[in-house]
Amino acid sequence: NAGVTQTPKFRVLKTGQSMTLLCAQDMNHEYMYWYRQDPGMGLRLIHYSVGEGTTAKGEVPDGYNVSRLKKQNFLLGLESAAPSQTSVYFCASHPGPGANQPQHFGDGTRLSIL
Amino acid sequence: AQSVTQLGSHVSVSEGALVLLRCNYSSSVPPYLFWYVQYPNQGLQLLLKYTSAATLVKGINGFEAEFKKSETSFHLTKPSAHMSDAAEYFCAVSDQRGSGNTGKLIFGQGTTLQVKP
Repeated sequence: NAGVTQTPKFRVLKTGQSMTLLCAQDMNHEYMYWYRQDPGMGLRLIHYSVGEGTTAKGEVPDGYNVSRLKKQNFLLGLESAAPSQTSVYFCASHPGPGANQPQHFGDGTRLSIL
Repeated sequence: AQSVTQLGSHVSVSEGALVLLRCNYSSSVPPYLFWYVQYPNQGLQLLLKYTSAATLVKGINGFEAEFKKSETSFHLTKPSAHMSDAAEYFCAVSDQRGSGNTGKLIFGQGTTLQVKP
């Protein structure tokens, strides 16, 4: 039972490059989230999805796009990477409405933009 | 709007001493509250959760937290610190009770716990 799997685990990009972070969950969860973690700021929500084919903006969505074409996958894209996007990115999933359950987190992707 | 404030970005205790990590929240609806722990280079692991049952919540690794509505607090405690407790701890509030019910979490800034031998 893998839970929430993020790929890649590490990546270094140059300013202006693009990339996609993949999140996969095998728990049949309805909701999925992308957060970024920066020192002293906790985790901040970038985008989230409450079901296949739906996405919504979180607290810090600028510079990112997401897609949820399949229920088990949630992709986070950086179209033109900037140094300010250097961070640790976490994906999480949640069973969905009516479930007073916690979110389940992946192990994170460490991204450096030079 | 919901918010979470963790008082103290760094807390240092001696091994065997009481651990107290403070969390205050703001929420327009009765909240769901969580404490997560993050060990170095790992993801977040749930320590415990409050979902309106007992106000004193027991979690893993000997941690517990008490929900105090009058003080809008959800402080995390452990009677005796162990070296393995050194980590970063996050308090979070959820909108699961709200009309939107997206399960979104609002996190505090985090508290790094150092345990000295």
